[in-house]
Amino acid sequence: EAQVTQNPRYLITVTGKKLTVTCSQNMNHEYMSWYRQDPGLGLRQIYYSMNVEVTDKGDVPEGYKVSRKEKRNFPLILESPSPNQTSLYFCASSLRGGEGPRDNEQFFGPGTRLTVL
Amino acid sequence: GQQVMQIPQYQHVQEGEDFTTYCNSSTTLSNIQWYKQRPGGHPVFLIQLVKSGEVKKQKRLTFQFGEAKKNSSLHITATQTTDVGTYFCAGLRAGGTSYGKLTFGQGTILTVHP
Repeated sequence: EAQVTQNPRYLITVTGKKLTVTCSQNMNHEYMSWYRQDPGLGLRQIYYSMNVEVTDKGDVPEGYKVSRKEKRNFPLILESPSPNQTSLYFCASSLRGGEGPRDNEQFFGPGTRLTVL
Repeated sequence: GQQVMQIPQYQHVQEGEDFTTYCNSSTTLSNIQWYKQRPGGHPVFLIQLVKSGEVKKQKRLTFQFGEAKKNSSLHITATQTTDVGTYFCAGLRAGGTSYGKLTFGQGTILTVHP
């Protein structure tokens, strides 16, 4: 089954304790991205990757790191989490290019709900 | 930076009424995508619009991309309870070196009363 998986799905942690949220896709997609979702703010892009070893900042990259060593994986790293990073996080992937109505379709993972105390 | 404003934030309708949500970008867009997120779920892709003035239909849903490629709308005819959820637009900025940087609107939360 084609899918994007994220782990963990739920995490409660404390300020300053480094954590990693994993994201993996089995669709051979070039493009992957991380978003955070907060009430009233919609989805905000944290980082994205156009392909292996190519990453770039989205709109809210502060306090986050990513890496893209393999095509299928795109982990999100919080080196020193703070309470303002409490949020719902989504990973997404897509093929790149094309102008058709379903081109660039992003497939989202189920989300990771993170609470930083 | 690029901003995408989406209105209204909330919309309550009676089943059978029509619904429209609007997106406006501060910059010209390369394309715009629309997503639906059911309560407790993840966003699901609906469509991508690329051409100026483009109109696409999916059953009761009509999507439109403005002539200037800075605004878009989603119209649902005769809403059903299955239409409940949050609808997001997402714009990809035209040109520059930020291809791949997608900006989402704040979303419109649709409630349908039976």
